[in-house]
Amino acid sequence: GDSVTQMEGPVTLSEEAFLTINCTYTATGYPSLFWYVQYPGEGLQLLLKATKADDKGSNKGFEATYRKETTSFHLEKGSVQVSDSAVYFCALNYGGSQGNLIFGKGTKLSVKP
Amino acid sequence: GAVVSQHPSRVICKSGTSVKIECRSLDFQATTMFWYRQFPKKSLMLMATSNEGSKATYEQGVEKDKFLINHASLTLSTLTVTSAHPEDSSFYICSASKSKGPEQYFGPGTRLTVT
Repeated sequence: GDSVTQMEGPVTLSEEAFLTINCTYTATGYPSLFWYVQYPGEGLQLLLKATKADDKGSNKGFEATYRKETTSFHLEKGSVQVSDSAVYFCALNYGGSQGNLIFGKGTKLSVKP
Repeated sequence: GAVVSQHPSRVICKSGTSVKIECRSLDFQATTMFWYRQFPKKSLMLMATSNEGSKATYEQGVEKDKFLINHASLTLSTLTVTSAHPEDSSFYICSASKSKGPEQYFGPGTRLTVT
């Protein structure tokens, strides 16, 4: 079945460091890919998405490119801030309002000043 | 916007009792709502998918008689955990989607503790 694998955390970085959180997927079809972020004490928020191969999703300085050849959707940010400390979830679905999300296990990011 | 609320945010109940969790889409009509369960340090697992006015579709291994889902309107879905046991203690999260686009909008979650 379909699945999402993302790097184990926690990840601890200093402010202004470069961030990469790896995400790979296994899918039988052509899913849409997402990154969700969960700040402490809050619900999941959509961070960015890509709906087809070679699409790049971006938001708040974060980027991820849908790579069909490597079945990857790695999350990157050039310079992290303390406020980026959160848990990040990679996910996929097959689109439409009926498609449930399949999540990775989440990666906790802590950014130190 | 697309805001989803859940109530309560935390609940503690005794074994054998039932507890209801509400999920509301506050500023949009949700054609579909999803219920997830999140275990500590693990990912979200889909429990069921519900559409307004129809029966929920449960994932394999989820007991439909134990986790009752009612999707009464386009803005409200409820999850009732019946005859709760300590192993039902978990973080329950709902999400809602609009008619177009694959995005889901998540509620803040409900922490259930069964003593």
